[in-house]
Amino acid sequence: ETGVTQTPRHLVMGMTNKKSLKCEQHLGHNAMYWYKQSAKKPLELMFVYNFKEQTENNSVPSRFSPECPNSSHLFLHLHTLQPEDSALYLCASSQVEGPQETQYFGPGTRLLVL
Amino acid sequence: DQQVKQNSPSLSVQEGRISILNCDYTNSMFDYFLWYKKYPAEGPTFLISISSIKDKNEDGRFTVFLNKSAKHLSLHIVPSQPGDSAVYFCAASALIGNQFYFGTGTSLTVIP
Repeated sequence: ETGVTQTPRHLVMGMTNKKSLKCEQHLGHNAMYWYKQSAKKPLELMFVYNFKEQTENNSVPSRFSPECPNSSHLFLHLHTLQPEDSALYLCASSQVEGPQETQYFGPGTRLLVL
Repeated sequence: DQQVKQNSPSLSVQEGRISILNCDYTNSMFDYFLWYKKYPAEGPTFLISISSIKDKNEDGRFTVFLNKSAKHLSLHIVPSQPGDSAVYFCAASALIGNQFYFGTGTSLTVIP
């Protein structure tokens, strides 16, 4: 596997379900991110992990819970979601060495909450 | 408050002609700008970037222009090819922090 991988690619869940999204980066990067992509809206940054430590949490509801066990893996645990949480969830990674960095994205998980 | 704006949701261009995608930003602290390309069912792919110390960066058929005084950047694709049909996102980041701000994207269709 190369780059950034995400599983599952598609997920349908009820509002009472608990599920997890998984992201793995094979680029040796030290930062990982979760983004939400809703239709006709900019990519919304949800969480940032630098060197496995969470450094940003952009007012994300507690029904989304991130976990970063090591610098290569990132999870997004989902619990009691709402239909408006249906979106494409993108994981990204980057190497934070200076002021300029490039983020590399995974293919995303298309989530539908019923 | 949207700090990066792409005001054209879609653009159609004939194959072989130039495609120009525009992006405006409001935060004068932004100093690094990127363009991403996204095909359906795939994550965004990095295309080209530019630092605020430059006003132009070229990579093959892709050129990004930065006008700092106008807080405007543009992506030129020439000649346009049908395979360029995708959604293009503009992104910006500031010196402090590694948070990126994305526009809403412009859907480019290159007509054969």
